[in-house]
Amino acid sequence: NAGVTQTPKFQVLKTGQSMTLQCAQDMNHNSMYWYRQDPGMGLRLIYYSASEGTTDKGEVPNGYNVSRLNKREFSLRLESAAPSQTSVYFCASSPASLGTGSVWQYFGPGTRLTVT
Amino acid sequence: KQEVTQIPAALSVPEGENLVLNCSFTDSAIYNLQWFRQDPGKGLTSLLLIQSSQREQTSGRLNASLDKSSGRSTLYIAASQPGDSATYLCALGGGGKLIFGQGTELSVKP
Repeated sequence: NAGVTQTPKFQVLKTGQSMTLQCAQDMNHNSMYWYRQDPGMGLRLIYYSASEGTTDKGEVPNGYNVSRLNKREFSLRLESAAPSQTSVYFCASSPASLGTGSVWQYFGPGTRLTVT
Repeated sequence: KQEVTQIPAALSVPEGENLVLNCSFTDSAIYNLQWFRQDPGKGLTSLLLIQSSQREQTSGRLNASLDKSSGRSTLYIAASQPGDSATYLCALGGGGKLIFGQGTELSVKP
């Protein structure tokens, strides 16, 4: 099993450009998540999807959109990139929604995005 | 609002030492607490998960404890090795999301 995969691994954008970060999991998990990690800030939740067809905002959703394409795939879109969105983006998945029991989250390797 | 703090931000120890990493939180209404390891330039690997009803979990040389009444969790690493060098993050599960601390960067010197 590949676990959680993310593409691309690195990306440089100019201010105002758009792009989509892709995430896929092969563990048949119900829930998927997008986080960003900034120095000194830990990981912060951007959006999550508790099940196929549903999405919810996390702590820092402004400037982002998501799509839960099917059970395997969860994409994150930046419509008009800004320098403040320079960060490392992680996708994660888990078998069940948070708060419903003791479940692990499994993380992808991350996408390092720089916006100039 | 739940706040999670990890102290110290960085720690350097000689190989073989036993060490403790700290995680404190402000709201005891949590479902679970997870400890993760992050190697430089890599994603996160789950180490231990403690349910809110549990007091501790063990995996090999790692032992994590949870004291909800005092708002604290500790990660104990026995007989540290250079391969343990990484950033360790705690995260609290509750209210439909995980809230992460900023992490402790551990360096184990040979």
